[in-house]
Amino acid sequence: DGGITQSPKYLFRKEGQNVTLSCEQNLNHDAMYWYRQDPGQGLRLIYYSQIVNDFQKGDIAEGYSVSREKKESFPLTVTSAQKNPTAFYLCASSIASGQGAKTDTQYFGPGTRLTVL
Amino acid sequence: KNQVEQSPQSLIILEGKNCTLQCNYTVSPFSNLRWYKQDTGRGPVSLTIMTFSENTKSNGRYTATLDADTKQSSLHITASQLSDSASYICVVSSTSGTYKYIFGTGTRLKVLA
Repeated sequence: DGGITQSPKYLFRKEGQNVTLSCEQNLNHDAMYWYRQDPGQGLRLIYYSQIVNDFQKGDIAEGYSVSREKKESFPLTVTSAQKNPTAFYLCASSIASGQGAKTDTQYFGPGTRLTVL
Repeated sequence: KNQVEQSPQSLIILEGKNCTLQCNYTVSPFSNLRWYKQDTGRGPVSLTIMTFSENTKSNGRYTATLDADTKQSSLHITASQLSDSASYICVVSSTSGTYKYIFGTGTRLKVLA
């Protein structure tokens, strides 16, 4: 059963803690993305990766870190430097390198809702 | 600046009625335009995708139109159902730059029985 999965579905963080959100895909996609979604706002890009061992900052990368050691996995760490991390986090993947071609549809995971206690 | 604007911000309709959502963009150079449906607390799911040469695309009760000259797109929902209650997101792709997806803020649709 192919797809993109995220875990956990809900995550609670105490102030000062680092937490890691998991994102896995078995679609054999080269590109992967992390977005943050706040109520009433559009998706904002945190980081994206076009190939293994390479990634680029998005619009709101401060306080976040990522790694891309395997094609299938793109974990996101929310560090204590992120002062307002409560949000809905979405991971996505696409077949090509984000070149915007018609075939380059992004497939999204189910999301992780992070809440700071 | 590349931007995608959607209207209305929210919409309430009765079950069985039709509705139309709007998307205006200033993205250039343009590659394609996608409409996604996002249920509450879930990830977006692609409904349609259109390139410069396509001016209409259907997916069941969903019909998207594109006017590349005026840089406008619409998503028409026919005979709405309760399950259509969701946010609808317009995403425009450009052919320049390393990251090419520009997201609209979405239209939140509520269908009432």
